[in-house]
Amino acid sequence: DIQMTQSPSSLSASVGDRVTITCRASQTISRYLNWYQQKPGKAPKLLIYAASSLQSGVPSRFSGSGSGTDFTLTISSLQPEDFATYYCQESYSIVMHTFGQGTKLEIK
Amino acid sequence: EVQLVESGGGLVQPGGSLRLSCAASGFTFSSYWMTWVRQAPGKGLEWVANIKPDGNEKYYVDSVKGRFTISRDNAKNSLYLQMNSLRADDTAVYYCTRAWDYGDDYWGQGALVTVSS
Repeated sequence: DIQMTQSPSSLSASVGDRVTITCRASQTISRYLNWYQQKPGKAPKLLIYAASSLQSGVPSRFSGSGSGTDFTLTISSLQPEDFATYYCQESYSIVMHTFGQGTKLEIK
Repeated sequence: EVQLVESGGGLVQPGGSLRLSCAASGFTFSSYWMTWVRQAPGKGLEWVANIKPDGNEKYYVDSVKGRFTISRDNAKNSLYLQMNSLRADDTAVYYCTRAWDYGDDYWGQGALVTVSS
């Protein structure tokens, strides 16, 4: 099974900051890497798919990069509504699409 | 508009059974892989199972193999998760999702399953 490791597990930042979250796969997954945002009590929302493609309706301050085993999610200028938990997920394997453990982004 | 609506959650005793349903609308259900994802209280997301559009391929996370069964009825635009031999660590919100090669693009609101005596 593919293991996904996110870092950091939590992060404090201020409105306007640039923030980067990383995700590492235990084996190469090409660009089959997706990012989700989850707010308390809500279902996750797909933000970025195929490592760097922005899902429809997602603000352009969100961006993704990487391929192979190392990936990043960047928020260029944090907005109040961006404070949430972020998850990466591989969709390379047919048999299971493993999630990372999550990164909680909190207000400093 | 794509909609996924889960039902069937509730409180069940350890060792008991429960069947979750997910009613899909707004898209051609029979064309998509579908997935169940769960989230234990205060924990992260865990992929549970998925099923091919025609229902002929199914995959499960190791912790539910032999206990959970995913199925679908394309005529009814519905996805199911039969959960048997439930344990306390199965307590979670269960989400139904529409899946494609690049992630799960639509999610239901979730159904809470609580396993407790």
